[in-house]
Amino acid sequence: LAKTTQPISMDSYEGQEVNITCSHNNIATNDYITWYQQFPSQGPRFIIQGYKTKVTNEVASLFIPADRKSSTLSLPRVSLSDTAVYYCLVGDGNTDKLIFGTGTRLQVFP
Amino acid sequence: DAEITQSPRHKITETGRQVTLACHQTWNHNNMFWYRQDLGHGLRLIHYSYGVQDTNKGEVSDGYSVSRSNTEDLPLTLESAASSQTSVYFCASSAARQGHSKQFFGPGTRLTVL
Repeated sequence: LAKTTQPISMDSYEGQEVNITCSHNNIATNDYITWYQQFPSQGPRFIIQGYKTKVTNEVASLFIPADRKSSTLSLPRVSLSDTAVYYCLVGDGNTDKLIFGTGTRLQVFP
Repeated sequence: DAEITQSPRHKITETGRQVTLACHQTWNHNNMFWYRQDLGHGLRLIHYSYGVQDTNKGEVSDGYSVSRSNTEDLPLTLESAASSQTSVYFCASSAARQGHSKQFFGPGTRLTVL
């Protein structure tokens, strides 16, 4: 199965931009890369999805290089409420099964 | 509003018992998924379905089964519960096979096997 890795944790301060990278060494050719946010005792919540290059919505941007072996979630001007765990989700290149990344715990300080 | 619900939210059972966790969605989504979440392992796919009568094994399917008799429901059954199946279980659904990773998650079921 694809190995999908993320930094275990990151710290930031309110108002800063945060970039979280996910490495996926064997992603399915036709699959999207999706990012989720999860708060304690809740299910993951969809943030953003993309296939290649750059995607932006009202809460985040997603950067995907041409080889698609990684992706970077960018959160502009984080606030305390952005403290959560962030996961990437990709399809495995061999099995087509969906694989979640290891998750990054973001702590935002005042 | 459309939603995805899970029941029960908490369950305590004993080793060897059969347990069924319910998942119901009103999105009218074709795709449904079951995950387990454990400390140190993140979210792992157990089973998934792309439509009625369709089921597929995920990364950690041993000891679990699912059936899909209608669009709205995908119950997860633990045939003989084991302590290693103590976990938080999440159900999810998505609209289309292409882009199936854009999923809506339920609130989770915390299962404890004693």
